[in-house]
Amino acid sequence: DGGITQSPKYLFRKEGQNVTLSCEQNLNHDAMYWYRQDPGQGLRLIYYSQIVNDFQKGDIAEGYSVSREKKESFPLTVTSAQKNPTAFYLCASSREVGQAHNEQFFGPGTRLTVL
Amino acid sequence: AQSVTQPDIHITVSEGASLELRCNYSYGATPYLFWYVQSPGQGLQLLLKYFSGDTLVQGIKGFEAEFKRSQSSFNLRKPSVHWSDAAEYFCAVGAYSGAGSYQLTFGKGTKLSVIP
Repeated sequence: DGGITQSPKYLFRKEGQNVTLSCEQNLNHDAMYWYRQDPGQGLRLIYYSQIVNDFQKGDIAEGYSVSREKKESFPLTVTSAQKNPTAFYLCASSREVGQAHNEQFFGPGTRLTVL
Repeated sequence: AQSVTQPDIHITVSEGASLELRCNYSYGATPYLFWYVQSPGQGLQLLLKYFSGDTLVQGIKGFEAEFKRSQSSFNLRKPSVHWSDAAEYFCAVGAYSGAGSYQLTFGKGTKLSVIP
């Protein structure tokens, strides 16, 4: 079945540590996205990528980094510079670049907790 | 810049009652509008979308939404709610950013509780 997988489902991190969240899609989608979700805040865009080896900052990129070495993979690293990293992180993908009507498909999410 | 407002943070309805979730958007051009649903601890699933044409859009699970340009609204409706509809619902507007890419802007969500 085609879809988006995120791992791990739950992640615990000590303060000062970097941690990487995995996102893989087998939908052959060009565009991929990372969102952060906090209670009562909706989804906020962290980074997005329209093509391999290219990515752009979203609204809240500070303290995060990404890479896009393969079309199907878009890992997110939460660095120690992120002041409040505890949140639910969602990865998404969409079919074509620059097409506003294409829906975004979402993974199941990773809940990150900083201890 | 575009924005989405969902005025109701939490709504409670009885099973079998009708439902309307409100969504207002701000965008200078023709909007691309979406409704997503999220069960606790899960990702988002698309319910329906509007791009052009008929302003009443049918979606999955018996949901529909009506686009009203004059009111900048895209309200979600269901004639009879089932207990399994309890979830959080997000309205989103799709728009082109200054860099020429396409982004979704989400509202803060409305949590729906259903009383058996």
